[in-house]
Amino acid sequence: KAGVTQTPRYLIKTRGQQVTLSCSPISGHRSVSWYQQTPGQGLQFLFEYFSETQRNKGNFPGRFSGRQFSNSRSEMNVSTLELGDSALYLCASSPLTGGGNEQFFGPGTRLTVL
Amino acid sequence: QKEVEQDPGPLSVPEGAIVSLNCTYSNSAFQYFMWYRQYSRKGPELLMYTYSSGNKEDGRFTAQVDKSSKYISLFIRDSQPSDSATYLCAMSIGSSARQLTFGSGTQLTVLP
Repeated sequence: KAGVTQTPRYLIKTRGQQVTLSCSPISGHRSVSWYQQTPGQGLQFLFEYFSETQRNKGNFPGRFSGRQFSNSRSEMNVSTLELGDSALYLCASSPLTGGGNEQFFGPGTRLTVL
Repeated sequence: QKEVEQDPGPLSVPEGAIVSLNCTYSNSAFQYFMWYRQYSRKGPELLMYTYSSGNKEDGRFTAQVDKSSKYISLFIRDSQPSDSATYLCAMSIGSSARQLTFGSGTQLTVLP
């Protein structure tokens, strides 16, 4: 079974621009979560989507948004980019079967904001 | 104070050693506990997943959860150079609050 895929893998943007990242979960997984990883703050939860609905949101500004499509694929968008948004953005999918909470991560999208 | 504390290391051991990695946490509502391994410039890979207290073994890896002490551990037996990576503990409340709260990660190097 194919793992979580994320595109693009690398992205360079300038301050003030916006960016959209894409995530395809493991086949059959319906929950998709997004995380930001930086050297200073580590891995931090952004939001979770299930059945096209945002179920939880982390402590990030409204510039960070996301959505999920009917095929469970998800996108996240960051508007008005700031230098501090430079990070590895990770997507994780979960089967949500039997109350399971395992989350499987993709390789991430490395965003650099200049 | 962070909800999950993890010694960042770095930790360096000779090949074949037993490695012990630990995390402490403050939120008693955490029920699901995971250990991830992350190689440089890669996404985290799920190693172990446990629910509530107890031990779980998978090959050379053993995960222990002590909810009374709010303490979790990962043991790696017969460590190999290929185990060199950053190890992250993660936990969640589950059900309606599924987001993972991560430790800062411990950087491990296994010397041949």
